[in-house]
Amino acid sequence: GAVVSQHPSWVICKSGTSVKIECRSLDFQATTMFWYRQFPKQSLMLMATSNEGSKATYEQGVEKDKFLINHASLTLSTLTVTSAHPEDSSFYICSARGLQDYGYTFGSGTRLTVV
Amino acid sequence: QKEVEQNSGPLSVPEGAIASLNCTYSDRVSQSFFWYRQYSGKSPELIMSIYSNGDKEDGRFTAQLNKASQYVSLLIRDSQPSDSATYLCAVIKAAGNKLTFGGGTRVLVKP
Repeated sequence: GAVVSQHPSWVICKSGTSVKIECRSLDFQATTMFWYRQFPKQSLMLMATSNEGSKATYEQGVEKDKFLINHASLTLSTLTVTSAHPEDSSFYICSARGLQDYGYTFGSGTRLTVV
Repeated sequence: QKEVEQNSGPLSVPEGAIASLNCTYSDRVSQSFFWYRQYSGKSPELIMSIYSNGDKEDGRFTAQLNKASQYVSLLIRDSQPSDSATYLCAVIKAAGNKLTFGGGTRVLVKP
């Protein structure tokens, strides 16, 4: 089945630094990638949607200059949290959708802790 | 009104019993419905998708969709302790490809 590899699985960074999270579709072409954030005991909140080769579409309230999304190829999308602050600490999850498969394949998630 | 609503639980069921989870959605023209299971600290995993009114069964799981009532449910038969998790209902609106998640229902299966 479709597999999305997400790295790193966890990361601790200092306040003010940037962190990059990668999601790779291993056996299909991810035409659309979704990035979610999940705070403890809350559901997944969509941050942005990106289509390969296009600029990402951000949900209301999500700062596009803070959360940089790149989807330059059909197998790789990255989320960079710039100038991270403790309130950015969260569980970040990507989800990919390909043309052939109607389903949504989730990455394993990245636990970000900003200290 | 939230777009997708679920009772947060916890729903406590004894091992071997049936767990019944409910989900309502606000957009009447929604077309696609999904149930995901999420263990603590893990990403969601798809249990079932349903697109037409009626029941859809897969192993111990049955999804039920009633578009007129804007209601989708999940039954877990012969509940096992390993079914203890948060169950997320997700919906795709007609004109789009974004999954909108409900808040999730936490299920506890007690041995």
